[in-house]
Amino acid sequence: DIQMTQSPSSLSASVGDRVTITCRASQGISNYLAWFQQKPGKAPKSLIYAASSLQSGVPSKFSGSGSGTDFTLTITTLQPEDFAIYYCQQYNSYPPTFGQGTRVEIK
Amino acid sequence: QVQLVESGGGVVQPGRSLRLSCAASGFTFSSYAIHWVRQAPGKGLEWVAVTSYDGSYKFYADSVKGRFTISGDNSKNTLYLQMNSLRPEDAAVYYCARDLRFCSSISCYPMYSFDYWGQGTLVTVSS
Repeated sequence: DIQMTQSPSSLSASVGDRVTITCRASQGISNYLAWFQQKPGKAPKSLIYAASSLQSGVPSKFSGSGSGTDFTLTITTLQPEDFAIYYCQQYNSYPPTFGQGTRVEIK
Repeated sequence: QVQLVESGGGVVQPGRSLRLSCAASGFTFSSYAIHWVRQAPGKGLEWVAVTSYDGSYKFYADSVKGRFTISGDNSKNTLYLQMNSLRPEDAAVYYCARDLRFCSSISCYPMYSFDYWGQGTLVTVSS
C-alpha cells in the first residue's frame, strides 16, 4: 500500500495567516491526490482533487499543488471556520490511502 | 442536492453482526460507485470497501475482507454494509461516500476518491 505522510501533524496559526500543509507519498502517484477538511463531529468535506482542482463551491482561498510524490495544500487568509483537520488521500493505486491528518489550531 | 444518509449503527458485542445502510438522493445512484470509509475514535480515515454502480465489482480493505459485504439496491437508491464477526477494532464512525468519477466523451470511470460524504453512523463493538 502507498503510505501518505503529512507534515506537520499540527500547527497553530492566527486569523489572517497563510498556512501550508505538505503531503508526501511513499511512491509516485502522478496527480491523483485529494484533500479533505474535517471539523469536529462532522463528516469530511472534499476540497481539492487531482492535486490542484477545486471542488465545486470551495472558495479559492484553498489551493493545491504538486505531482509525483510531494504535494501541498495552501490556505490563505485563515478564518475561524478554517480551523479543522486536513487529510490528503491518494487514489493512484489500490487501496486508496489517507495521510494521518494535520490539525490547524487557533494560536 | 446530493445527499447520503447513513443509518444502522449501534452497540454490538464482539463476534456479532450489524448491517449499515446508506440512503442516497439528489443524483443518479445507479451511475456511481459508492464507498464506505471509517474513522475510529480520535483516529484518521480508513477506506473500507467500494461497489460499482452495477455491482460488477466489489473491493475490500484487507482488514475487513471475508467479514464485511458491500451491496447496493438501485431500486431503493440504498447502499448496504453487512458486517459480520465484528471485532473491537471495527469500532468507528462509518461514512458512505460517493466516488469522484471521471467522465470522458465515451464513458465514466471510478476514481477511488470521494466528492460527497454522508454524516456517518457510529458502530461500537463492546461486550
